[in-house]
Amino acid sequence: GKQLNQSPQSMFIQEGEDVSMNCTSSSIFNTWLWYKQDPGEGPVLLIALYKAGELTSNGRLTAQFGITRKDSFLNISASIPSDVGIYFCAVHGNKLVFGAGTILRVKS
Amino acid sequence: NAGVTQTPKFRILKIGQSMTLQCTQDMNHNYMYWYRQDPGMGLKLIYYSVGAGITDKGEVPNGYNVSRSTTEDFPLRLELAAPSQTSVYFCASSYLARRVTDTQYFGPGTRLTVL
Repeated sequence: GKQLNQSPQSMFIQEGEDVSMNCTSSSIFNTWLWYKQDPGEGPVLLIALYKAGELTSNGRLTAQFGITRKDSFLNISASIPSDVGIYFCAVHGNKLVFGAGTILRVKS
Repeated sequence: NAGVTQTPKFRILKIGQSMTLQCTQDMNHNYMYWYRQDPGMGLKLIYYSVGAGITDKGEVPNGYNVSRSTTEDFPLRLELAAPSQTSVYFCASSYLARRVTDTQYFGPGTRLTVL
């Protein structure tokens, strides 16, 4: 079946540091999505990517759709304590398929 | 708008008991979904509905049933609870699903433990 591999599984970083996480697949997808899940809440869409090679920003977040259409990365610049949570990549075919998530913890 | 609401927030069941997880959305969305999230895993689709009266299986439907009698409500039923159904359950809705810009909005989740 369709499988997304996210890395790292978790990260513990200092406030102010930049963060990078990525997502890969053995299959080609035409849309990549990044969601954030705050503790005790449902996921919320952060960034949607529609074209191979596309680089899209949302505030301190930047995401890129890999040129091979098999990967994507998400960068967070100058992390703050409220960035904590789980970040999921997802791909959109007929339905959403989610990666396992990257847990982000920020030390003040 | 309240968005997507789910009840209850938490529940503990004994093996073999049954229960219904409630989901309601007030955004007049056509599509509704049920996911489960296990520790360290992403969300897996259980069932979805494209409109009132129409439901279809997702990736992990076994042990669950759904119905969609109205646009607003999409309850998920567990008939014979098993420990493997211990999970956090999320309901979501979207206006359409054909376009990727039709964002899915998620409810706050129901944490279910089966002992």
